[in-house]
Order: sequence, then C-alpha cells, then structure tokens
Amino acid sequence: AQTVTQSQPEMSVQEAETVTLSCTYDTSENNYYLFWYKQPPSRQMILVIRQEAYKQQNATENRFSVNFQKAAKSFSLKISDSQLGDTAMYFCAYIPASYGKLTFGQGTILTVHP
Amino acid sequence: AAGVIQSPRHLIKEKRETATLKCYPIPRHDTVYWYQQGPGQDPQFLISFYEKMQSDKGSIPDRFSAQQFSDYHSELNMSSLELGDSALYFCASSFSLPSSYEQYFGPGTRLTVT
Repeated sequence: AQTVTQSQPEMSVQEAETVTLSCTYDTSENNYYLFWYKQPPSRQMILVIRQEAYKQQNATENRFSVNFQKAAKSFSLKISDSQLGDTAMYFCAYIPASYGKLTFGQGTILTVHP
Repeated sequence: AAGVIQSPRHLIKEKRETATLKCYPIPRHDTVYWYQQGPGQDPQFLISFYEKMQSDKGSIPDRFSAQQFSDYHSELNMSSLELGDSALYFCASSFSLPSSYEQYFGPGTRLTVT
C-alpha cells in the first residue's frame, strides 16, 4: 500500500523568507504523480504544484518549487518570498498512474509571520 | 472557469438521521471522487465513479452509498448517521484521459451530526 509521510506538523517563517516543507512516500509503482495541495482556513483544497515521476526536472510554479528525489522517494516543497496569504495547511499527495485515488500525508501547518 | 459545485455547503443532522450530499463536476469531467476529512486530519478517500460506474472504493462505511448519474453529477447518501460522521466531505472531479490526472476539488460540505 502506498503511504505518504509529512514529518513536520507545524512550520513557521517570516514574511519574504524561504521555507521548505518535507514529504516522503512509499510505493512499488514506477509511474505516479505527486502533488502539493494548500488548504487555507476556508478549507478549500487548492492545487499548488504537481510532479510527474517520469520527469527528472523539478516542477516550478512562480514562488513554489519542488525537490523531487525519486530514488529517495522524497518530494519537498520550497516556498520563496513567503507571503501572509501562504499561511495554510499544506498536504503532500500521491496518485499512481494506474488509478486516481489520492493518498494524502498528514499535513503541515505553515504560518507566515509579518 | 467553472468549478466543482457541492451542495449543501453546511448540513446539520441528528444521530440516526439520513443525509444526501450532492456534487456537480466540472463540465466534461467524467470521473468523480469523494473524500472525508475529519477535524485535524488529512482527507480520506471514500469512493469514486467513472462513467457512472464505481471505479474504486476506499474506507466507506456500509451505511454510506453513492452513485453517479447520467449528467455525471454524483450523490453521497449517508444513513444512520453517527457523531463520528461529522466531517468535511469533499467531492473532486477529473477527466479520464491518461494525462489528466489532476483532481479539482469542490468547496466541501461541512456535515455536523448532533
């Protein structure tokens, strides 16, 4: 069974600084997709960034980038120039290519301080 | 752009009552997923439908049932409600083409069982 682990229950960062959220996963699949979702206090689930396992290049979306280490089964999220609006719960999630059930990590609460 | 619509947004029921949650996927999306998120927890997969057929099943209690209709909307029926069913219920939709692995989440239905 696939598992996703986020070992940082809470993180904090000063506005304009950089923060990295960690995620590891376990799977026997060779082809899969990884995501970071943001859940602000409104509790809407917002897709932040995605990574295809077959791509070696790390995904980047504006201030958000990932460090994908397939051999180590690690998928960290780096947020640059942190903004107050980045304060939220962040979930790492996994989907095997064979079917579409998302498996989420436990989440990391990120607080951006002014 | 059109998003996933869920109704109602909030629902209060008493123990042993029945609840029906509705989900309207993004137009042309043919796959619907249901997730349950308890307080302080990550979303847990319940069930999914592709082209009106159940495609995968997760930790869904026998008291719950769901279906997808000809217009692709889906309903989650919950009977004999228990206090532990209080949670945020998300519906997500996707398009089943091989490259379309992204799931788009609705705003959720917050169910409170008293």
